[in-house]
Amino acid sequence: DQQVKQNSPSLSVQEGRISILNCDYTNSMFDYFLWYKKYPAEGPTFLISISSIKDKNEDGRFTVFLNKSAKHLSLHIVPSQPGDSAVYFCAVLQGAQKLVFGQGTRLTINP
Amino acid sequence: AAGVIQSPRHLIKEKRETATLKCYPIPRHDTVYWYQQGPGQDPQFLISFYEKMQSDKGSIPDRFSAQQFSDYHSELNMSSLELGDSALYFCASRNRDGGLNYGYTFGSGTRLTVV
Repeated sequence: DQQVKQNSPSLSVQEGRISILNCDYTNSMFDYFLWYKKYPAEGPTFLISISSIKDKNEDGRFTVFLNKSAKHLSLHIVPSQPGDSAVYFCAVLQGAQKLVFGQGTRLTINP
Repeated sequence: AAGVIQSPRHLIKEKRETATLKCYPIPRHDTVYWYQQGPGQDPQFLISFYEKMQSDKGSIPDRFSAQQFSDYHSELNMSSLELGDSALYFCASRNRDGGLNYGYTFGSGTRLTVV
């Protein structure tokens, strides 16, 4: 059973607009969440993270929002740029050790 | 800055053969993780090592084994390969001092194709 779910396998956004990627999780005990970006033939690259004691974390064009009651987090990218086209994985840190990933969302930014 | 090095980048093997994947962590990183990503799937945790001892085990088949050596590099040994073993295998290393990403850094992966 999937503990971390990204229900949108793909998302297409116009350049300059906002990209919103969503992620749901099942275990309310999870307390640290991360977003990774992955290009083809490369390993995942860390983007941004959030602890469960916060509901928002911002880093430049990237903002992650956490809704603990809904067990939902989202990644906002604004403005979206062509270089943002990649697969985005939501992940939780389980037991402060291993990462548990969602299925990924392929984001395509159209010029 | 040095990254996590994985070798080989690509590997083609026949069914029932064996394969060895290598991972060289970032210097002074003491923990190594192996993940398997099948086509169209999310990365799945296989196994991890901390200070050369196995620290956690995930969905790793019994046909696979791994170890971490004294220089902290790790090898994933895969025997009796099956077609379903075709996947991207990622290694990550981590500095337990943490940081925003809990110190996780991924390598570029080894693409294993079993034919």
